[in-house]
Amino acid sequence: DQQVKQNSPSLSVQEGRISILNCDYTNSMFDYFLWYKKYPAEGPTFLISISSIKDKNEDGRFTVFLNKSAKHLSLHIVPSQPGDSAVYFCAANLPNDYKLSFGAGTTVTVRA
Amino acid sequence: DTEVTQTPKHLVMGMTNKKSLKCEQHMGHRAMYWYKQKAKKPPELMFVYSYEKLSINESVPSRFSPECPNSSLLNLHLHALQPEDSALYLCASSQVQVNTEAFFGQGTRLTVV
Repeated sequence: DQQVKQNSPSLSVQEGRISILNCDYTNSMFDYFLWYKKYPAEGPTFLISISSIKDKNEDGRFTVFLNKSAKHLSLHIVPSQPGDSAVYFCAANLPNDYKLSFGAGTTVTVRA
Repeated sequence: DTEVTQTPKHLVMGMTNKKSLKCEQHMGHRAMYWYKQKAKKPPELMFVYSYEKLSINESVPSRFSPECPNSSLLNLHLHALQPEDSALYLCASSQVQVNTEAFFGQGTRLTVV
């Protein structure tokens, strides 16, 4: 049973524009959320995280928004760059749990 | 050093072979993980070691045997695997605390023939 869902398998965006990636979760007990980026033949690389006590976290071009009532989070990348072309995974933690529950991933393609 | 190093990068093994995957980190992390990722699927947790002791086994078949010889090394011993075990095996490490990011290695692409 997939508790973290990324319903858009792919996203194409023009260079310089905003990329918005969405993630929904079903378990209201999740209290920590992370975004990872993955290039082919490489492991996932941590991008940004957010605790459930916050609704926004920003790091450079990356901003994550959390809407707990909707059990929804999103990652905004502004401006999008060609090097951002990768698979992006949303992940979530339960309290006092090391296990990361991953979404299926969204493949982002940034067009020149 | 923020790297998690996995060897080998690629491995092809027969169903009767015994092989080992290796993982090393020098970030002082005392939690280490094995994940399995099938094509077009998210990574799935297999094992968690905390302070060199196995703390989580996600009901993984015994043909996969983890080992944590010291705080920097994590091994995954493989024996009598099936073709459906072919996947990308990812090692990760983190601080021993919840709500922290895990650092992943580049993975070992395993093919069982």
